[in-house]
Amino acid sequence: GAVVSQHPSRVICKSGTSVKIECRSLDFQATTMFWYRQFPKQSLMLMATSNEGSKATYEQGVEKDKFLINHASLTLSTLTVTSAHPEDSSFYICSARQREYEQYFGPGTRLTVT
Amino acid sequence: GQNIDQPTEMTATEGAIVQINCTYQTSGFNGLFWYQQHAGEAPTFLSYNVLDGLEEKGRFSSFLSRSKGYSYLLLKELQMKDSASYLCAGMDSNYQLIWGAGTKLIIKP
Repeated sequence: GAVVSQHPSRVICKSGTSVKIECRSLDFQATTMFWYRQFPKQSLMLMATSNEGSKATYEQGVEKDKFLINHASLTLSTLTVTSAHPEDSSFYICSARQREYEQYFGPGTRLTVT
Repeated sequence: GQNIDQPTEMTATEGAIVQINCTYQTSGFNGLFWYQQHAGEAPTFLSYNVLDGLEEKGRFSSFLSRSKGYSYLLLKELQMKDSASYLCAGMDSNYQLIWGAGTKLIIKP
């Protein structure tokens, strides 16, 4: 149990376009989902916390107009990278919280912006 | 402020034992987590400690001392597949995970 999926696993897009990444909790309802970004050889950086039915809470330094997060249901959250630039190329990972102490990670999405 | 410190890199020999240390400072404390992350993959859960003491799970054990703000992950009988980054994370009073930068563990034959 407690499986989180992400789609797509890899995406290559051109500079200036938008990319949507989906995060789904497959066998549980997640009231809270988290979006992380990880650059090579660095640790996870929390971008935002998303609660179902409400606006996401963004970490300092993360542009909310560039990284649009929608948590439309208890099993789905989406991250849209708008007007992507090469510096947005990174590994994006979502996680879903089932209970306070239980947080499960998706497999990640590798975004390359050319 | 909140902070998690762990060594950047460690090297160990196959079959040996290695201890990865972590010190933490969080606003409130709701437990200490260890995750394993292989290159190019998402983290996978290893252990959770909220009370002082040692938790053993197969070849992996995790220790917590709340008074010292200290934890360690102990890996026994090291295998080549244990080569990975090990992430220490403290959970604060808002149930948010505060992440360390990770310790890259290199296993040599």
